[in-house]
Amino acid sequence: GAVVSQHPSWVICKSGTSVKIECRSLDFQATTMFWYRQFPKQSLMLMATSNEGSKATYEQGVEKDKFLINHASLTLSTLTVTSAHPEDSSFYICSARDMRGGETQYFGPGTRLLVL
Amino acid sequence: GENVEQHPSTLSVQEGDSAVIKCTYSDSASNYFPWYKQELGKGPQLIIDIRSNVGEKKDQRIAVTLNKTAKHFSLHITETQPEDSAVYFCAASRGGNTPLVFGKGTRLSVIA
Repeated sequence: GAVVSQHPSWVICKSGTSVKIECRSLDFQATTMFWYRQFPKQSLMLMATSNEGSKATYEQGVEKDKFLINHASLTLSTLTVTSAHPEDSSFYICSARDMRGGETQYFGPGTRLLVL
Repeated sequence: GENVEQHPSTLSVQEGDSAVIKCTYSDSASNYFPWYKQELGKGPQLIIDIRSNVGEKKDQRIAVTLNKTAKHFSLHITETQPEDSAVYFCAASRGGNTPLVFGKGTRLSVIA
């Protein structure tokens, strides 16, 4: 149980295009999901907290107009990187909490984004 | 806000030896402390967690200890195996819907 999936697993795009990444909880429902980015050999940095049915809460320094987050259902959150640039190239990882309780966060396998 | 320090940044052990990774946190209100294992190119996998009402927790070869007074917690891996080689992250949070704050990670190498 407690499986989180991400799609796509990797994406290469041209500078200026937008990329959408999906995060799904497969066997539980999640009112809260989190989006992280991770640069090579570094730790996970929280970008935003995604709340089902309401606006996401962004961390300081993260542009909400560039990283659009939508949590339309209890099993799906999406992150759209708008007008992507090479500096947005990174490993994006989501996590989800089971709404039935507990603090455990289950992580997805990550999406590697390369912007040319 | 919370700040989590993790040491060492790299650790090499011989197969069969024990490995210990230590973390300290700054927010006395933090009450949930998970440990994640991340293999190359994959997402983090929860390996063990501990809550503030418990001082120690063990799961087979893995154990975590928590000292709330000193605000530090440690991961202990016994009888290490090559497949234990990975990056390990500690984290802390106030529980509920509050986000995790991660340490910078420890790259563990188990030498056969």
